[in-house]
This record gives sequence, C-alpha cells and structure tokens, in this order.
Amino acid sequence: KAGVTQTPRYLIKTRGQQVTLSCSPISGHRSVSWYQQTPGQGLQFLFEYFSETQRNKGNFPGRFSGRQFSNSRSEMNVSTLELGDSALYLCASSSGTSGSTDTQYFGPGTRLTVL
Amino acid sequence: AQSVTQLGSHVSVSEGALVLLRCNYSSSVPPYLFWYVQYPNQGLQLLLKYTSAATLVKGINGFEAEFKKSETSFHLTKPSAHMSDAAEYFCAVSGWDTGRRALTFGSGTRLQVQP
Repeated sequence: KAGVTQTPRYLIKTRGQQVTLSCSPISGHRSVSWYQQTPGQGLQFLFEYFSETQRNKGNFPGRFSGRQFSNSRSEMNVSTLELGDSALYLCASSSGTSGSTDTQYFGPGTRLTVL
Repeated sequence: AQSVTQLGSHVSVSEGALVLLRCNYSSSVPPYLFWYVQYPNQGLQLLLKYTSAATLVKGINGFEAEFKKSETSFHLTKPSAHMSDAAEYFCAVSGWDTGRRALTFGSGTRLQVQP
C-alpha cells in the first residue's frame, strides 16, 4: 500500500501571500489530520477531516483552513502568511473509525518558509 | 486536559548500550499512548502504541515500552542501541479528554548514538 503523500515538499512564500498544501491519505483511510511542527512550539494539531467534514479543530487562527474531497484527499490553506507560519506541516491519515486508538500514519511533510 | 512530558531533550548513548527515553503523561481519562520516531527531513513513523490490551508493548526495530499507571509513565527502551537509532523520538497521547480526537505530543527527545 502506498503511504501518505504530501505535495509540494518544499515551498517558499513571502509575507501576506497565501498557500495551499495537499495531502493524499493511504487508500481506504477516511480521516486526515494536519499538524504544524516548529522548533519553538513543537508539534501542534491543526484540524481533522473525516468524510469531507471538519471533525476536530485545534487552537489556530482562522487564517488556517482546510477541506477534504470525496476521494479523501485533503488540502490546507493558509492566508495572509506571517513569518511565524514557517514550519513543517505534517499530514496524517487514519481509518477514522477506531476512536482514540486509531493509528495515525504520517506523510513526509511540507516545509514552508515565509520570507 | 491531556499532556505529555518528555524528560531530557537530548540523550546520548554509546552503540550497544541501553536506550531509555522517558515519557510521563497526564490524563483524566484512560489514555492511549504512542511513540513515534522522526528521522531528519522526514515525517513521523509509528514505533508502538498502548491501547490497554497489555502493559508491555513491543514495537518495531527492537523498541518496547511499559505502561505504568501508578507512575503515569510510558518509557521507551531498547536493550542495545544501533547507530541507525539516532533520530528524534516523540511520545504522544490520544483521547477524548479535550473533547476532540487528536494526538498531543511531547516536546521530543533527540537520541545521539556514539560509536
């Protein structure tokens, strides 16, 4: 089975721009979660999508948004980029049906640099 | 709210020595606990998970962890370190404590293996 794929792997943007990141989950998985990883704040949960609906949300401003398509692929969007948005953005997929014991499988991440 | 504390941001061991990475959790509901490993410029790979079936959990690459409720700990061990074990290790907890299904990560422990 193919793993979680994320595109692009690297991205450079300037302040004020917006960016869209893409994630394709493992075949058959219906849940996609997004995490932000920075040296200062560590790994933080952004949101989770399941069957095209946002099921959970972390404590991030409204500039961070996402969506999920009928084939379970997910995108996240960050508008009006700030320098502090520079991070590794990780996508994780899971079946979404096993509750808290669900194993999340992570993609390689998208490294976003905001100049 | 659930939380995870990893003691020691950096751990250095000699090749062949015991590896012990510490993780303590806080949760008002039965926790589900995970250990992930991250190699440079890569995503997170699941090492093992605890879901209440057995207190001693065996994972990949010779790692194991023991859930101790009385000590609220879930330390990761490996009897003999290998150079390829050098990476960053994250302990995480999942549950409905915060009303949402998401992984809450510790701050990570970077493992160095000396030849």
